[in-house]
Amino acid sequence: RKEVEQDPGPFNVPEGATVAFNCTYSNSASQSFFWYRQDCRKEPKLLMSVYSSGNEDGRFTAQLNRASQYISLLIRDSKLSDSATYLCVVNEGGDYKLSFGAGTTVTVRA
Amino acid sequence: SAVISQKPSRDICQRGTSLTIQCQVDSQVTMMFWYRQQPGQSLTLIATANQGSEATYESGFVIDKFPISRPNLTFSTLTVSNMSPEDSSIYLCSATGGPTDTQYFGPGTRLTVL
Repeated sequence: RKEVEQDPGPFNVPEGATVAFNCTYSNSASQSFFWYRQDCRKEPKLLMSVYSSGNEDGRFTAQLNRASQYISLLIRDSKLSDSATYLCVVNEGGDYKLSFGAGTTVTVRA
Repeated sequence: SAVISQKPSRDICQRGTSLTIQCQVDSQVTMMFWYRQQPGQSLTLIATANQGSEATYESGFVIDKFPISRPNLTFSTLTVSNMSPEDSSIYLCSATGGPTDTQYFGPGTRLTVL
């Protein structure tokens, strides 16, 4: 079983739409959670950390459900520039090492 | 934030040869890592590059195949030895200042083995 699992998508949405997707993790002792964004042929870049109480950064909202061991990302008012692969990332034991999901591809069309 | 550079950005190599990838961070960092990202897949951690000592390898990766050096707090190298076409991948280095700090990634080295 993979440590971090994501719906690969692709999610094809029109500009202005809302898109949301989840990620599940297997290790209940996981301590830190992140969403990274990876553009085609580029390195991953941190989009946002995910906090227990949920957090928002502009049009992006992240939620953490420890009981069900999943993380979600919601993008409101989608822009063409939001087209990317979104990687769910988990730090399992606080020892710096990260586990990556395979990514969810989002394509926003005009 | 940390800015990370990698050299080379891409290479095409013959089977049986070796390639050394360099990773340079613009500031002193606590931890450096090497990842592999195969086509259409996510990142897999190869090893943690330890400053002044042997790297710590993840399951499925060995020092003979992927020797790593980290002579100081801002620089590391990964060598892909005795390459085969299965080694064709993107190799990324990353760095972080602490367990709760952001982990930053270099731009990657795109390796093709013929």
